[in-house]
Amino acid sequence: QQQVKQSPQSLIVQKGGISIINCAYENTAFDYFPWYQQFPGKGPALLIAIRPDVSEKKEGRFTISFNKSAKQFSLHIMDSQPGDSATYFCAATNFGNEKLTFGTGTRLTIIP
Amino acid sequence: GAVVSQHPSWVICKSGTSVKIECRSLDFQATTMFWYRQFPKQSLMLMATSNEGSKATYEQGVEKDKFLINHASLTLSTLTVTSAHPEDSSFYICSAIHGGNEQFFGPGTRLTVL
Repeated sequence: QQQVKQSPQSLIVQKGGISIINCAYENTAFDYFPWYQQFPGKGPALLIAIRPDVSEKKEGRFTISFNKSAKQFSLHIMDSQPGDSATYFCAATNFGNEKLTFGTGTRLTIIP
Repeated sequence: GAVVSQHPSWVICKSGTSVKIECRSLDFQATTMFWYRQFPKQSLMLMATSNEGSKATYEQGVEKDKFLINHASLTLSTLTVTSAHPEDSSFYICSAIHGGNEQFFGPGTRLTVL
């Protein structure tokens, strides 16, 4: 019940295209869903996060879509750039717990 | 704001020695920090929760006597890998809570045990 399933494992997108990464969770107590970006040899960096009271959050080229009834959320990267090539992790937690449950990660490669 | 640093960024040691890794919150105070371990091409595995002024809480399967955690101040937590062996070689990452639920991660420490 604590798992967060993430797909795809790897993704190749052409420059300028839309990158979409999906996550699904089971624990209905989760109420905070962040996405992290990690470059090789570096720690994860918080990219964008959403709470279940909204269905969508947009920050620049990055958008989280959230479907509470389906217990799914996704990251959309618009106008994908080579600099977006990294590993992306979704995560989930519930208020007061603080522990993050991470997805398995998606290795994104943006090709020219 | 919300910067977390780690030191060292990489360390190589001989089998049987102990290694200390520091995690600092540079511009905020953190009563709670976390230690993770990450193997190549894998996700982050939570090792323990470090609480300022109290004992760390370890995840199931993590040896507390091998991975000693000390959270002596609101800006510093340390992880000591005792009697390190090659299987302890990994990427160790810390994080700190800031602004509610938001976790900010350090840059990681690459440990190689020969």
